[in-house]
Amino acid sequence: RKEVEQDPGPFNVPEGATVAFNCTYSNSASQSFFWYRQDCRKEPKLLMSVYSSGNEDGRFTAQLNRASQYISLLIRDSKLSDSATYLCVVTSLSGGYNKLIFGAGTRLAVHP
Amino acid sequence: DAGVTQSPTHLIKTRGQQVTLRCSPKSGHDTVSWYQQALGQGPQFIFQYYEEEERQRGNFPDRFSGHQFPNYSSELNVNALLLGDSALYLCASSHRTPVSEKLFFGSGTQLSVL
Repeated sequence: RKEVEQDPGPFNVPEGATVAFNCTYSNSASQSFFWYRQDCRKEPKLLMSVYSSGNEDGRFTAQLNRASQYISLLIRDSKLSDSATYLCVVTSLSGGYNKLIFGAGTRLAVHP
Repeated sequence: DAGVTQSPTHLIKTRGQQVTLRCSPKSGHDTVSWYQQALGQGPQFIFQYYEEEERQRGNFPDRFSGHQFPNYSSELNVNALLLGDSALYLCASSHRTPVSEKLFFGSGTQLSVL
């Protein structure tokens, strides 16, 4: 089983739509959670951290359910510029140090 | 302020050859992590360097090795290249740990093995 699993996608949505991505993780000891965005052939960039209380950044809302080991990202009022791959990321503690574990990503295509 | 820089941007090698990829971290960062991203997959952790030592390692064979220099820059070496090593290799820098601060990625080196 992969440490981080995501909806395979792709999600094809019209501008203005609301879209939600889901992610599950297997390591219950994971402490920190993130969503990264990756444009085609570019490097990943941090979109937002995810907290247990849930957090919002403009049109983006992230939720974490530690009991279910589940993370979500909600995008409201989709823009063409939101088209990208969204990577779910969790930390994994090994040898006293944390490393980031990435999911395979969910591709989003927003069309006019 | 320069971000994370990687070189070269693209590289073509043949099976069995050896390759060295280079990374300069963002100013003020002392930790460098290397990731391999195959087409359609998320980045896979290779290893992390701090204070010139390999601090932790992912599930990659010994053909993958690295080094960090006193100026915090780093190299990734891959020996005996296989077709399956074709991927985007990403370097990421941070300060001490990649959790307390934002992880900055370079634009990557696209390696093609023929």
